[in-house]
Amino acid sequence: AQTVTQSQPEMSVQEAETVTLSCTYDTSENNYYLFWYKQPPSRQMILVIRQEAYKQQNATENRFSVNFQKAAKSFSLKISDSQLGDTAMYFCAFRYNFNKFYFGSGTKLNVKP
Amino acid sequence: EAGVAQSPRYKIIEKRQSVAFWCNPISGHATLYWYQQILGQGPKLLIQFQNNGVVDDSQLPKDRFSAERLKGVDSTLKIQPAKLEDSAVYLCASSSWGGQNTGELFFGEGSRLTVL
Repeated sequence: AQTVTQSQPEMSVQEAETVTLSCTYDTSENNYYLFWYKQPPSRQMILVIRQEAYKQQNATENRFSVNFQKAAKSFSLKISDSQLGDTAMYFCAFRYNFNKFYFGSGTKLNVKP
Repeated sequence: EAGVAQSPRYKIIEKRQSVAFWCNPISGHATLYWYQQILGQGPKLLIQFQNNGVVDDSQLPKDRFSAERLKGVDSTLKIQPAKLEDSAVYLCASSSWGGQNTGELFFGEGSRLTVL
């Protein structure tokens, strides 16, 4: 069975600082995809960043980047220059085999002015 | 491109009543998902459709929940009778793979259910 673990229920960061959210997963699959989704308070869940397991290069999207360690089954999200609009729940997700997705329990990020 | 549409956004019912939620996925997306998200938790998959066939409904409480996706487009999730523990946000999502589609999930705004 596939599992996704986010061990940080809640985190805080000062505006303009950098924060890293952790995610580990367990799978016996070799080909899969990893995602970070953002869910602002009472708003729609949207994709932040995506990583294909077969790619060694870490994905980057503007201020968001990942540290993908396949052997360690770790997939952390780094947010640089944090902004107030980054305040949200962040979910790590794992996808394999016919569009099956598994989500972690989420990390609540609070960006302080 | 229109996103995933869901309705109603909010619904309040008493226990043992019934409720139905509707979802229209992004045009051309073959895969449709219904998730249940209890406050403070991650989404839990209830049912996954591929076109109009069910791929996974292993976590759907079939004694009270039902879902259909007629003609492989929009979908309806029904709860009858509702229990207090069904209070949650019901998220619909769709995805597609191939071409320029990369298999990510696109979510609707969700339907928030409160059971009193």
